[in-house]
Amino acid sequence: RKEVEQDPGPFNVPEGATVAFNCTYSNSASQSFFWYRQDCRKEPKLLMSVYSSGNEDGRFTAQLNRASQYISLLIRDSKLSDSATYLCVVNRDKLIFGTGTRLQVFP
Amino acid sequence: DVKVTQSSRYLVKRTGEKVFLECVQDMDHENMFWYRQDPGLGLRLIYFSYDVKMKEKGDIPEGYSVSREKKERFSLILESASTNQTSMYLCASTRPQGLNTEAFFGQGTRLTVV
Repeated sequence: RKEVEQDPGPFNVPEGATVAFNCTYSNSASQSFFWYRQDCRKEPKLLMSVYSSGNEDGRFTAQLNRASQYISLLIRDSKLSDSATYLCVVNRDKLIFGTGTRLQVFP
Repeated sequence: DVKVTQSSRYLVKRTGEKVFLECVQDMDHENMFWYRQDPGLGLRLIYFSYDVKMKEKGDIPEGYSVSREKKERFSLILESASTNQTSMYLCASTRPQGLNTEAFFGQGTRLTVV
């Protein structure tokens, strides 16, 4: 079983839709959590950190549930430019990546 | 602008060759990492380093070694390249481990072993 698990998708959604991605992690010693975005044939880039209290950045909302070892990312009002792979990442003295969830937003 | 630079975007090598992948960062980061990324498997950690001349094995170190002689440079070495090492290789750097430590990545090296 992978230490960080994500649904690989793809999620195909129309512009304007709300879409949610989930991620589970197995090691309770994980210290901090992130969502990264990776465009096709490019390197991953930080989208947002994830805090226990939940946090929002524009159309993006991230949530962390330590008791259930579960992280989520909600994207509201999807844009074509949101099409990418979203990587869930946990920090346990080293960064452990999920395999990513692919999002395709269509007109 | 912060920068992690990998020496090559694309590389083609023959089976059995010794291959060097170089990574340089200009952010004075202590921590550096090498990952490989394969379809369906995501990013897998090969080796990492928290300091000069220090290295730690990641999840898939077999067939690889690393060198960190200077803080800004972290090299990945394929001792004898094999076709199953064909992959995208990504270098990353971070500040010392702590809460909310962002990783900065190089642009990646797509290695093909023939």
